Amino acid sequence: AQTVTQSQPEMSVQEAETVTLSCTYDTSENNYYLFWYKQPPSRQMILVIRQEAYKQQNATENRFSVNFQKAAKSFSLKISDSQLGDTAMYFCAFMKSNNNDMRFGAGTRLTVKP
Amino acid sequence: NAGVTQTPKFQVLKTGQSMTLQCAQDMNHNSMYWYRQDPGMGLRLIYYSASEGTTDKGEVPNGYNVSRLNKREFSLRLESAAPSQTSVYFCASNEIRAAAYEQYFGPGTRLTVT
Repeated sequence: AQTVTQSQPEMSVQEAETVTLSCTYDTSENNYYLFWYKQPPSRQMILVIRQEAYKQQNATENRFSVNFQKAAKSFSLKISDSQLGDTAMYFCAFMKSNNNDMRFGAGTRLTVKP
Repeated sequence: NAGVTQTPKFQVLKTGQSMTLQCAQDMNHNSMYWYRQDPGMGLRLIYYSASEGTTDKGEVPNGYNVSRLNKREFSLRLESAAPSQTSVYFCASNEIRAAAYEQYFGPGTRLTVT
């Protein structure tokens, strides 16, 4: 079974600074997808960014980017120019290609301080 | 376009009572999911339905049943609620044949069993 580990239960960052959230995963698969979801206090799960394992180029979405290290099974999320609205729980998730079973990490609670 | 909707938003049950959580999506997705979210554990998959007419167990299916009523609707039933089922429940949907694969989530149902 795939496991996803987020080793930082809580983090904080000053507004406008950069923060990196860590995620590692364990799998024997070669084709899979990785995701970062954001869960603000409203509880709604919002997709932040996704990465296809077959792509070597790291995904970016505006202020959000990932550092995908396939050999190391690492998938970290970098948030640049942090904003107060980035305060949320962040979940890393793994899904095998053509499979419905998505596995989530335990989450990292990020607080952006003014 | 409402996306994924869930009812109710909140529910309190006594031990042994039964209830059904409702979920509907209007994105014409084939696959639908039920998760539970507990503090410190991220989201765990209870059941999923890869397509209309099929359902499969996820990571934590015990104590639950599901029905894929049609392509739009996927319900989760607790036949005899237990305090261990106190949790926040999320429904999600996606199209695994699509390039993106990400799951779209409903707003969640907070269930308390006393």
